[in-house]
Amino acid sequence: NAGVTQTPKFQVLKTGQSMTLQCAQDMNHEYMSWYRQDPGMGLRLIHYSVGAGITDQGEVPNGYNVSRSTTEDFPLRLLSAAPSQTSVYFCASSYGSVTGVTGELFFGEGSRLTVL
Amino acid sequence: AQTVTQSQPEMSVQEAETVTLSCTYDTSENNYYLFWYKQPPSRQMILVIRQEAYKQQNATENRFSVNFQKAAKSFSLKISDSQLGDTAMYFCAFMNRNAGNMLTFGGGTRLMVKP
Repeated sequence: NAGVTQTPKFQVLKTGQSMTLQCAQDMNHEYMSWYRQDPGMGLRLIHYSVGAGITDQGEVPNGYNVSRSTTEDFPLRLLSAAPSQTSVYFCASSYGSVTGVTGELFFGEGSRLTVL
Repeated sequence: AQTVTQSQPEMSVQEAETVTLSCTYDTSENNYYLFWYKQPPSRQMILVIRQEAYKQQNATENRFSVNFQKAAKSFSLKISDSQLGDTAMYFCAFMNRNAGNMLTFGGGTRLMVKP
């Protein structure tokens, strides 16, 4: 059971370039989300999805796009990378939403992105 | 909106001793979860312990226990018999059960266990 898989694990971009961080889960979770982790600030929610075809913004959505065409996949797109987007990105998933069994989120291993 | 505050950026403890990490939160909700996550140097986010707000009994998982003071909005983590493998960043997190599975994190406490 792979759990939550993120790719790539490391990426260096130049300002203005675009890229997609991939996230896939094999647990049939309805809920998926993206967080960014910056030093001293913990993790902050970027976007989330409560099911295929449904996405919404979190605390820090500017500069990022998401889509959810399948239950398994939830890619995060940076359309025009900026140095302020240098961070570690985590994808997380869980059962259900309000009716989730435990509320526990399962995290991927993180992706370190550097924008020069 | 919820806020979570961890007032101890760094802490250290001798191996086999006990250490307590502090967390306070601010919310007007009554139905929520509180969590402690561990992040070792591998970067993986590992769930340590979970507390449901409507349960008065403090959660315990082996060497890890919490002191949940709902009225004071305090949620501290006690690690007993500290081990070298406990060295990590620890994050306190809040989830409003009426608003989906979104976590609000504190800024983290870096714990060093010394031999």
